[in-house]
Amino acid sequence: AQSVAQPEDQVNVAEGNPLTVKCTYSVSGNPYLFWYVQYPNRGLQFLLKYITGDNLVKGSYGFEAEFNKSQTSFHLKKPSALVSDSALYFCAVRDHQAGGADGLTFGKGTHLIIQP
Amino acid sequence: NAGVTQTPKFQVLKTGQSMTLQCAQDMNHEYMSWYRQDPGMGLRLIHYSVGAGITDQGEVPNGYNVSRSTTEDFPLRLLSAAPSQTSVYFCASSFRQAVGELFFGEGSRLTVL
Repeated sequence: AQSVAQPEDQVNVAEGNPLTVKCTYSVSGNPYLFWYVQYPNRGLQFLLKYITGDNLVKGSYGFEAEFNKSQTSFHLKKPSALVSDSALYFCAVRDHQAGGADGLTFGKGTHLIIQP
Repeated sequence: NAGVTQTPKFQVLKTGQSMTLQCAQDMNHEYMSWYRQDPGMGLRLIHYSVGAGITDQGEVPNGYNVSRSTTEDFPLRLLSAAPSQTSVYFCASSFRQAVGELFFGEGSRLTVL
């Protein structure tokens, strides 16, 4: 079975400071990992993904994430936070060895609040 | 450039009523799915489809039916609504189910009284 954990319900960061949103995962085989962002009353939007290759993945809006296999983590980062980054962030995982065509498993989400 | 379109955006039902949430995508994606979003629980997969004529159950399929007669459309049917089905429903599609990113609709907020 595949699972993902986002240990923080909320992360508060001052504008201009670096931000990190944490994600850890559990899969039987190798993971496909994703980050999505949700703004109020909107659908989720794709930010970035790790499939294979370079452990540091760069995505939309200046976000990046680092795949760490030994720690089974895929933390989302940004060097300098903007107030407009305030949103709900979801980490998601899929085991690439999953036999069925099952979908992504999402974490419960982390509210990111950037304070001016 | 419509992407994934869901209707209706809001719906109020009484217990026992049935309804269909519509989902259409214009990106020629083979993979489509329905999720429900509940506070503190993230998104949970209800049903999915890997192509026209093929559907399968996700994590929480009870009380819901789906069909996929065309590549573009993937309606979700609530057979007999219950208060536990009060939620926000999202339809999503992907070009490549395993590694492709999901494109989400704007959501349908359903309240069952």
